[in-house]
Amino acid sequence: GAVVSQHPSRVICKSGTSVKIECRSLDFQATTMFWYRQFPKQSLMLMATSNEGSKATYEQGVEKDKFLINHASLTLSTLTVTSAHPEDSSFYICSARDRQGNQPQHFGDGTRLSIL
Amino acid sequence: AQTVTQSQPEMSVQEAETVTLSCTYDTSESDYYLFWYKQPPSRQMILVIRQEAYKQQNATENRFSVNFQKAAKSFSLKISDSQLGDAAMYFCAGKGEYGNKLVFGAGTILRVKS
Repeated sequence: GAVVSQHPSRVICKSGTSVKIECRSLDFQATTMFWYRQFPKQSLMLMATSNEGSKATYEQGVEKDKFLINHASLTLSTLTVTSAHPEDSSFYICSARDRQGNQPQHFGDGTRLSIL
Repeated sequence: AQTVTQSQPEMSVQEAETVTLSCTYDTSESDYYLFWYKQPPSRQMILVIRQEAYKQQNATENRFSVNFQKAAKSFSLKISDSQLGDAAMYFCAGKGEYGNKLVFGAGTILRVKS
């Protein structure tokens, strides 16, 4: 089945560091990728939708300058948390959908980000 | 606009028994898709089952089945012969035919007792 690879799975870094998370679709072309944030025992909160070759669409309340998204190819999207602070610590999950819009999204395994 | 509501924060089931997780939704679209995802402690999101709204037949995947009541906008998940490995957070989600986003419910934590 379709596979989405997310890397790294775990990041621990100092406050002020910028962190890049990669999301790759391994066996299909993902025209659309989604980035979610999840706090413990809570639901997934959509942060932004990225479309290949165009600017990402951010959800209300998500700072686009804080969470930079790049979707330069049909198989790769990146999320960069710029100048991360402890409040940015969370679980970040990406998902990708192939060209057929009615197919379910395929999720990466997530990245646990801890800012000290 | 589309909303998904899971009113059961936690549920428990005895091993080998059957449990039903509730989900209701609201949408203005005439065609849409509904999903149940499982998130075990590893936090990987696993698709359990999906239902196309235009299909009247309830979807079934082995021990997992749904009760899709379109008029009532209800989409419950039934897990038969529950196993310890079924313990996880379960999310109900929906997507409009023309919409881009998956909308998730708040989730239900399922505990399986041995």
